[in-house]
Amino acid sequence: GAVVSQHPSRVICKSGTSVKIECRSLDFQATTMFWYRQFPKQSLMLMATSNEGSKATYEQGVEKDKFLINHASLTLSTLTVTSAHPEDSSFYICSARTTVQETQYFGPGTRLLVL
Amino acid sequence: AQKVTQAQTEISVVEKEDVTLDCVYETRDTTYYLFWYKQPPSGELVFLIRRNSFDEQNEISGRYSWNFQKSTSSFNFTITASQVVDSAVYFCALSERLKGNKLTFGGGTRVLVKP
Repeated sequence: GAVVSQHPSRVICKSGTSVKIECRSLDFQATTMFWYRQFPKQSLMLMATSNEGSKATYEQGVEKDKFLINHASLTLSTLTVTSAHPEDSSFYICSARTTVQETQYFGPGTRLLVL
Repeated sequence: AQKVTQAQTEISVVEKEDVTLDCVYETRDTTYYLFWYKQPPSGELVFLIRRNSFDEQNEISGRYSWNFQKSTSSFNFTITASQVVDSAVYFCALSERLKGNKLTFGGGTRVLVKP
């Protein structure tokens, strides 16, 4: 149980294009999903908290117009990196949590490379 | 000040040696959770354990054991008889009820187990 998937696992795109990353909870309903960013050899930094049916809450310093988050159902959240630039290249990881459990289960991550 | 401190950035051991990873946290909340996650080279975060602030019992799971001491705000993790497959980055994390149970990660400890 508690499986979270992410798609795609790896994406290479040109500067200026937009990239959408999907996060799905496969065997449980996730009222809350989280999006993290991880640079090489660094820790995970929370970007935003996404609650189903409401607007995402962004951490300080994260541009909400740059990183669009949608949590339309209890099993799916999407992160869209708009007008991507090379500095957006990173490892993006989502996690999901139910209303009852406090444990966040993580997806396998998406490696984004912007050329 | 960092809320979660993992003082060891990298530990190298030879197979079958024991290895202890330190984690010190800081919080004013009375209700909180502590976690350990493993991140192998593939990138996915694997949940290892969750401990709530009211349960100071130590725990053992196979070769893994955890020592939670509120008096020193520490939640240390020991791998007994390490194996090459234990090579990964290990993250300690804190979630505080008053902050919506968002995870705050430590900097991570890279463990390299040599054959």
